[in-house]
Amino acid sequence: GAVVSQHPSWVICKSGTSVKIECRSLDFQATTMFWYRQFPKQSLMLMATSNEGSKATYEQGVEKDKFLINHASLTLSTLTVTSAHPEDSSFYICSARRTSGNHTQYFGPGTRLTVL
Amino acid sequence: DAKTTQPNSMESNEEEPVHLPCNHSTISGTDYIHWYRQLPSQGPEYVIHGLTSNVNNRMASLAIAEDRKSSTLILHRATLRDAAVYYCILSSPYNTDKLIFGTGTRLQVFP
Repeated sequence: GAVVSQHPSWVICKSGTSVKIECRSLDFQATTMFWYRQFPKQSLMLMATSNEGSKATYEQGVEKDKFLINHASLTLSTLTVTSAHPEDSSFYICSARRTSGNHTQYFGPGTRLTVL
Repeated sequence: DAKTTQPNSMESNEEEPVHLPCNHSTISGTDYIHWYRQLPSQGPEYVIHGLTSNVNNRMASLAIAEDRKSSTLILHRATLRDAAVYYCILSSPYNTDKLIFGTGTRLQVFP
């Protein structure tokens, strides 16, 4: 299968601190990874598209300086929420698309961020 | 981005077939039709995808209308584990294949 992992699965932090979330494709290479967030009882919202070796492309309304994305290898992308505030509390989910083959995205299990 | 329209919710009894509809009247010729499902507090799970022809896999079948303006996800025998929110999404390889999620269909399965 195509497995995507996220770490940590949940994190609680104080307001003003930064939090890094990792997304790994475990058994395939992913040139492109995507980051989403999901608030309670809502659908997933695409935040940004992360391409290996280049800058991420952010969706309209998503602050690139607040949500730093790094995609340094074909199996790892990271999302850093800088100076987190309570309104950033959400479920963050990544997905990865295979470098070759079909157009399917495989999703990670998500990271629950709670900012106090 | 081409949009999809799905019913907010559907119900089924266990071991009965379920047909989940999706309308996508503005679909373009290069758009793929994807179906994902999501259980609470989990990431979405890939179900099936197709372009023009009907598709079958171990999880489900995807029936695509001849004009491609609608499609139907078919679960042949619903189980309690199939209870989830099902998302029908279009993506284009010319737009990085990004997926824009709608509100999906919440499927309830009764024993």
